[in-house]
Amino acid sequence: TQLLEQSPQFLSIQEGENLTVYCNSSSVFSSLQWYRQEPGEGPVLLVTVVTGGEVKKLKRLTFQFGDARKDSSLHITAAQPGDTGLYLCAGWRDYKLSFGAGTTVTVRA
Amino acid sequence: EPEVTQTPSHQVTQMGQEVILRCVPISNHLYFYWYRQILGQKVEFLVSFYNNEISEKSEIFDDQFSVERPDGSNFTLKIRSTKLEDSAMYFCASSGDRASYEQYFGPGTRLTVT
Repeated sequence: TQLLEQSPQFLSIQEGENLTVYCNSSSVFSSLQWYRQEPGEGPVLLVTVVTGGEVKKLKRLTFQFGDARKDSSLHITAAQPGDTGLYLCAGWRDYKLSFGAGTTVTVRA
Repeated sequence: EPEVTQTPSHQVTQMGQEVILRCVPISNHLYFYWYRQILGQKVEFLVSFYNNEISEKSEIFDDQFSVERPDGSNFTLKIRSTKLEDSAMYFCASSGDRASYEQYFGPGTRLTVT
């Protein structure tokens, strides 16, 4: 069983602060996806990272894939209330996605 | 923008009844998936489907579950005899290319078994 651990489980910050969410595993993944999920809705794909050491930027969001392809991080710069939500990482291995439990981010105005 | 759609949005059924959850994947996608998410828990892979057959399935996907692509657009998940523990959100997803790893999810069907 591939276990993806996300930390922290909950994160509450003030608008304008930076935050980082971590996704760690003992397994190697072919790729890693980050999704955002609103209550009662399906996960929405934010980004896919494929190459070890890869860094991708999406406006104020920066995603990094670890060199060994076992871990990833999501960094949000100058967080805004609109960034509030559940962030999920999911690793692709053996032709299926395995999800982490998610990090609930709350950005206070 | 193309999207995955699912119906119904909410299904209530009695224990032991059969349910069929329906999905319309993105039209040019070739790979189809079902996931479930029990309230407060992580999203769990159930099954993947390609070229009219199951590619992979998890240990959750037992004989009570089946999938079908009855026509060129729909993808269904059937649960033959529902149990209380089948209550969950069920998400359909599709991807155009397995190598792309990227899956696009539908809004989900909330299944409540009473």
